[in-house]
Amino acid sequence: DAKTTQPNSMESNEEEPVHLPCNHSTISGTDYIHWYRQLPSQGPEYVIHGLTSNVNNRMASLAIAEDRKSSTLILHRATLRDAAVYYCILRSNAGNMLTFGGGTRLMVKP
Amino acid sequence: GAVVSQHPSWVICKSGTSVKIECRSLDFQATTMFWYRQFPKQSLMLMATSNEGSKATYEQGVEKDKFLINHASLTLSTLTVTSAHPEDSSFYICSAREGARNTEAFFGQGTRLTVV
Repeated sequence: DAKTTQPNSMESNEEEPVHLPCNHSTISGTDYIHWYRQLPSQGPEYVIHGLTSNVNNRMASLAIAEDRKSSTLILHRATLRDAAVYYCILRSNAGNMLTFGGGTRLMVKP
Repeated sequence: GAVVSQHPSWVICKSGTSVKIECRSLDFQATTMFWYRQFPKQSLMLMATSNEGSKATYEQGVEKDKFLINHASLTLSTLTVTSAHPEDSSFYICSAREGARNTEAFFGQGTRLTVV
């Protein structure tokens, strides 16, 4: 799977929007962009995924650049419970497993 | 959404003993499950891919005779850490996917193994 690059950490204030960036300049045409997050001492949980168009769900929004070389996970109103490590992962049609990079540790300040 | 349950959540064992960790898909069938290991302050590392009814596929550097994987049914995969040593202490996490390859993956809550 192609590699992704994320900042090691980010800080946000509670109830403010958070934009978590991810660069994936070597993405291929069949790679889906997945986002997962991991709260302390828990297994990862699915957040959102997309291919080309922007996606929205109850947890977050995913904005995908037109050239697909980058994407941004948007949490519209951060809460303390959103403090976690967020992983941006590319997965191709041919692949089945998820390969985790370093992720971004999001800290939310009250 | 679909649920993956891992048991136990934590376990402490003596050096030299074996520990079995179970991973169950509660409301869907998973022909493939994945086992990850996570050391403190690090990311998840894939250990092996567990296929129902066949041998698991191990990642490079993971000893198949030390980490025994059995996927005997479409809802259960087990990981047995044999002859555990303190360096095997880690957070073990399983994952399963339902249906088509680009759907979301579901993860268990993880098992914290401490070998003393």
